[in-house]
Amino acid sequence: AQRVTQPEKLLSVFKGAPVELKCNYSYSGSPELFWYVQYSRQRLQLLLRHISRESIKGFTADLNKGETSFHLKKPFAQEEDSAMYYCALSPVSNFGNEKLTFGTGTRLTIIP
Amino acid sequence: DAGVTQSPTHLIKTRGQQVTLRCSPKSGHDTVSWYQQALGQGPQFIFQYYEEEERQRGNFPDRFSGHQFPNYSSELNVNALLLGDSALYLCASSGGTAEKLFFGSGTQLSVL
Repeated sequence: AQRVTQPEKLLSVFKGAPVELKCNYSYSGSPELFWYVQYSRQRLQLLLRHISRESIKGFTADLNKGETSFHLKKPFAQEEDSAMYYCALSPVSNFGNEKLTFGTGTRLTIIP
Repeated sequence: DAGVTQSPTHLIKTRGQQVTLRCSPKSGHDTVSWYQQALGQGPQFIFQYYEEEERQRGNFPDRFSGHQFPNYSSELNVNALLLGDSALYLCASSGGTAEKLFFGSGTQLSVL
């Protein structure tokens, strides 16, 4: 069975401070890992995925297979980063990455 | 392009009733996935439709069924509603095996 754990329901960070949202997963195979974000009154949208290894809006996430973690980081928080963040896992399959297992989410608030 | 559209936005039903939710995928997308998001939880995968057939399914009972039409739009049907079916139902569309998911705004179902 696959599982995604986000230990922090709420996280408050001052503007300009570093941000780290934690995500741990359990899965027996090789998963694909994602971070999704939902800004206020907007739809859930993809922030980044580990296989693309790109930085989006200053956020990065490194897949650590030894610690089974995929923490999301940003060196300097901005007010527009306030949102709900979900870590998600998908088994690698021929059917693409639609069958996602989501964590319970972390609500990030940036304090001005 | 309106993106993924879902109807209705809100729905109130009573226990034992049946409900149908609708989803139109983003233009150019041929795959539709449905998720259930209970309050305070992350989205949970229900099933995925591709070429008018259910291709993958999550851990949901047979009371949850779906359909995909030739124009790629989709319906989610839930029979014999339970109080625990109260949730936000999200539709997501994608095209091909490596495309990212685009989510709709969801249908909020309340079962009384």
